[in-house]
Amino acid sequence: DAGVIQSPRHEVTEMGQEVTLRCKPISGHNSLFWYRQTMMRGLELLIYFNNNVPIDDSGMPEDRFSAKMPNASFSTLKIQPSEPRDSAVYFCASSFRQAKSEAFFGQGTRLTVV
Amino acid sequence: LAKTTQPISMDSYEGQEVNITCSHNNIATNDYITWYQQFPSQGPRFIIQGYKTKVTNEVASLFIPADRKSSTLSLPRVSLSDTAVYYCLVVTGNQFYFGTGTSLTVIP
Repeated sequence: DAGVIQSPRHEVTEMGQEVTLRCKPISGHNSLFWYRQTMMRGLELLIYFNNNVPIDDSGMPEDRFSAKMPNASFSTLKIQPSEPRDSAVYFCASSFRQAKSEAFFGQGTRLTVV
Repeated sequence: LAKTTQPISMDSYEGQEVNITCSHNNIATNDYITWYQQFPSQGPRFIIQGYKTKVTNEVASLFIPADRKSSTLSLPRVSLSDTAVYYCLVVTGNQFYFGTGTSLTVIP
């Protein structure tokens, strides 16, 4: 398996534009996580899905952020409209949904909003 | 959720054994203790996981005392390539919440 695949690797956009980040989890994994990492706040869990269903989105900073998982092999994180403070590295991770499990992370998307 | 506390940074010379201790005073009965490693510009990578006593794999050892309120990650004979941030997590179900991590710098 190629691991968790995220696209794009880098994104530069202007304030106010819509940004869509994409993630393909490891085949067979039934949990998917979106994280945001900044120097100031570290790694923050934004939202996670079990069996394509959002379980906890309490980490989503505000209504400008939304995430979907239309099927087991694809998820998106959308920011609309984007703001400079959204600049960060966004990671997607997947795992098996069980008590003892490990999460596998993608390479991340570095987002810069100017 | 059980909060974890670990040192912000550590330095070590090449070839030394490094021990990073993490405290998790309110760990629950069903929680597992997991450690991740992160290099710059990469996503975190699983190192080791345990529930109690000692776990060892090809990379590290994890020591967990009987009360499970702390754990120690042991890296034998570190090399320059072990310079990274190490995160201690208490995993509830499969919810992975990261703390601030320990930045380990290995010195030649």
